[in-house]
Amino acid sequence: GQQLNQSPQSMFIQEGEDVSMNCTSSSIFNTWLWYKQDPGEGPVLLIALYKAGELTSNGRLTAQFGITRKDSFLNISASIPSDVGIYFCAGRMYSGGGADGLTFGKGTHLIIQP
Amino acid sequence: DGGITQSPKYLFRKEGQNVTLSCEQNLNHDAMYWYRQDPGQGLRLIYYSQIVNDFQKGDIAEGYSVSREKKESFPLTVTSAQKNPTAFYLCASNHSPGRRGGEQFFGPGTRLTVL
Repeated sequence: GQQLNQSPQSMFIQEGEDVSMNCTSSSIFNTWLWYKQDPGEGPVLLIALYKAGELTSNGRLTAQFGITRKDSFLNISASIPSDVGIYFCAGRMYSGGGADGLTFGKGTHLIIQP
Repeated sequence: DGGITQSPKYLFRKEGQNVTLSCEQNLNHDAMYWYRQDPGQGLRLIYYSQIVNDFQKGDIAEGYSVSREKKESFPLTVTSAQKNPTAFYLCASNHSPGRRGGEQFFGPGTRLTVL
């Protein structure tokens, strides 16, 4: 199956710094989703984007749906220790009939140094 | 509270044994999914079901089987034919396909280790 190209693979940052990660695809999507996964737990949905160009915030998190519909980015401002985890992007392309599945990136592992 | 539950949290299996992982949801979602997660590889789709008594293979279905006898339940059996079953297994669900807001919500996962 197809996978998204998510970068960076890992990030080592200082507490208080801003974080930026992105996903790109060779195919278009009509929904982009961003999830966070803590160690040993299931992913938790952070932000959902439904429209090209859409910019959505959730607290210190901001995500955008790229104009080309082939990319998305997630920013985290003023990082704190609880932001540590793996962030996944996922694209959804449902055109009627068949599966309504997600295509996942491989994740960005965020590590915060005190 | 509404949500998705998976059991057990940890599971150990001897080679050659079949094991069944449980997934239950009380969100009234129509569709349910099983994913496998390995380090550095993200999530890969094993099986999915859009309605009761129907399911489809995902990208890596070989060595796995599922059933969907009830809307709330979607158990996954890892058979002895699965050559490398040690992994973290995640169950997810969402509303009917195509519906806006059909984002998938995940359970807490089951870590399977083959001894």
